[in-house]
Amino acid sequence: KQEVTQIPAALSVPEGENLVLNCSFTDSAIYNLQWFRQDPGKGLTSLLLIQSSQREQTSGRLNASLDKSSGRSTLYIAASQPGDSATYLCAVRSYSGAGSYQLTFGKGTKLSVIP
Amino acid sequence: NAGVTQTPKFRVLKTGQSMTLLCAQDMNHEYMYWYRQDPGMGLRLIHYSVGEGTTAKGEVPDGYNVSRLKKQNFLLGLESAAPSQTSVYFCASSLSVSNQPQHFGDGTRLSIL
Repeated sequence: KQEVTQIPAALSVPEGENLVLNCSFTDSAIYNLQWFRQDPGKGLTSLLLIQSSQREQTSGRLNASLDKSSGRSTLYIAASQPGDSATYLCAVRSYSGAGSYQLTFGKGTKLSVIP
Repeated sequence: NAGVTQTPKFRVLKTGQSMTLLCAQDMNHEYMYWYRQDPGMGLRLIHYSVGEGTTAKGEVPDGYNVSRLKKQNFLLGLESAAPSQTSVYFCASSLSVSNQPQHFGDGTRLSIL
């Protein structure tokens, strides 16, 4: 069974700092990996999707990398801002049988960017 | 630009009552999903649908039923609510099952007393 771990569970940084969030997964047979952002009381917003054949994806100040063989992904946030404060979730998509591809989520990293 | 809309946003039920959560998407997505999010557990898949008229069980389907009578709507039903079903429920949809991102609604906060 796929398991996804995110470390640390919480992170507090001063504004302007570059930071890295980590995600690891136990089964390397994945189709893709998706990073989400969740604001308090809100749903999930998709940030980046990396296919299993890709090494990284970039969107603005965000860069996500994928090392499928080692079961790891990182989300790099450059020049952090208070508006980046949220919980960041990592999810991997794996084949679960009968034509189904399911997402397995980590528990998230709660980021606080201090002005 | 609605995306995925969930109704209601909040609900309080008594044990044994029934209710239906509605999810609607306007992106013409084929695939739809229901998750629950509990503290310390992460999101877990309840049921999903790969197209109109089809549904399948996810990781935690017990106590829930679903229906997909129209492509744009995915309903989650609780026949006899239990306190263990107190959670935040999220609906999501995607264009394909394997290589497109899932888009989420804002959630329904359900409390069972």
